[in-house]
Amino acid sequence: TQLLEQSPQFLSIQEGENLTVYCNSSSVFSSLQWYRQEPGEGPVLLVTVVTGGEVKKLKRLTFQFGDARKDSSLHITAAQPGDTGLYLCAGSDAGGTSYGKLTFGQGTILTVHP
Amino acid sequence: NAGVTQTPKFQVLKTGQSMTLQCAQDMNHNSMYWYRQDPGMGLRLIYYSASEGTTDKGEVPNGYNVSRLNKREFSLRLESAAPSQTSVYFCASSGGTSGSTDTQYFGPGTRLTVL
Repeated sequence: TQLLEQSPQFLSIQEGENLTVYCNSSSVFSSLQWYRQEPGEGPVLLVTVVTGGEVKKLKRLTFQFGDARKDSSLHITAAQPGDTGLYLCAGSDAGGTSYGKLTFGQGTILTVHP
Repeated sequence: NAGVTQTPKFQVLKTGQSMTLQCAQDMNHNSMYWYRQDPGMGLRLIYYSASEGTTDKGEVPNGYNVSRLNKREFSLRLESAAPSQTSVYFCASSGGTSGSTDTQYFGPGTRLTVL
């Protein structure tokens, strides 16, 4: 069974601060996805990283996939209250017979105070 | 397009009662999934269907059954509900071909309480 450890579980910061969320595993994933979930809704995909060492930017969000494809990070620059939500990483072993099944981390609840 | 729809949105059951959670997608996706979400545990896969006519167990299948009624619909049944099944249930779908990194599209969830 593949496991993804996500940290921290909770993050409470002031508007304008920077933050990083980590996602670590002892297993290799063919790809790593980051989702954001707002209260009362389902998760929505932010980004997919596929290549070891890959860095993707989405406005103030920077996503990195580790060289060995076992870990990933999400960095937010100058956080805003609109960034508040639950952030989930999810790994895919799509190279096997899993048909895109995802293993999710426990999630990070981010609160950005004005 | 409505995307992924789930019914009901809320449900309260007594221990031992049965119910079926319904899910439908209008994106012509091959694969569909059922997850449960509990505090501090992320989303855990209950069952999935790689294509119409096939279903497979996920990480936490005990106490649940599924039916892939057609390409659009994938239902989750609790035969004899237990308090441990109190959770938020999400259905998702993806294009879902082997080896793909398809986006999974999630429904709004069903909040189930078992007393």
